[in-house]
Amino acid sequence: GESVGLHLPTLSVQEGDNSIINCAYSNSASDYFIWYKQESGKGPQFIIDIRSNMDKRQGQRVTVLLNKTVKHLSLQIAATQPGDSAVYFCAEGGSYIPTFGRGTSLIVHP
Amino acid sequence: EPEVTQTPSHQVTQMGQEVILRCVPISNHLYFYWYRQILGQKVEFLVSFYNNEISEKSEIFDDQFSVERPDGSNFTLKIRSTKLEDSAMYFCASRPSTGLYGYTFGSGTRLTVV
Repeated sequence: GESVGLHLPTLSVQEGDNSIINCAYSNSASDYFIWYKQESGKGPQFIIDIRSNMDKRQGQRVTVLLNKTVKHLSLQIAATQPGDSAVYFCAEGGSYIPTFGRGTSLIVHP
Repeated sequence: EPEVTQTPSHQVTQMGQEVILRCVPISNHLYFYWYRQILGQKVEFLVSFYNNEISEKSEIFDDQFSVERPDGSNFTLKIRSTKLEDSAMYFCASRPSTGLYGYTFGSGTRLTVV
C-alpha cells in the first residue's frame, strides 16, 4: 500500500548546527504534507505544512522543501537547539487524516 | 493556547478487561480522531468522528473498539476486551472545519495491558 517513510531513524547534531531530516513518500497523488514534532511523553505537535503546488515553505527557523519529481520531503532546522531534540514525523494529510511515517529521532548535543 | 486533554495519562489493565480512554477536544473543533502508537513505532490512525458518527476507521479499529461523544465535551475510546497487543500510547486529536491546520493532538494515554 501507499506509505510515508523516513530515511534515517536517528540524527545527531551539535547545538548551533543546521539539521536536515528527510522523508520519502510513495503516493504521487499526495497534495499536502505536514511535519510534526513529538517530544517524549507528548503527542505530535504541528510544525509546518506544505501543499504540492509549492516547492518550499519557511517558518520560524524551519524550512520544508518538497521535491515532487522524486517524491521527497525534507525539514531543515536552522541553528538547532537542545529544545529541538524530539522525534520528527512527516505525514501526508490530503484526506484530513495524517498518515505518519516512522519518525526520525533528532538528538542535539550541547 | 487551547489544548486537547486526555485522561488518564497512564492506565494499567488486566487482559480481557474493558477500558475507556477519555478526551476533551478543543471546544470549537468539529472533527475528532483517535490514534495509537506502539512503543517505538509510528502513529497509526484508528478512527475519525464527525457529526456524532464515525466517518472513517482503519483496519485496526475492529469490533473490540468503539467511540462515543456522550456529551458536548467528551470523546471516548472504549476497548471492550483488552489484549496484550493493545498496549500503546493512544492519542486523541481534533480539528476545526477549516482543515488540517489547527489539527491538535492531546498528550496521550499510555495503556499497559498485563
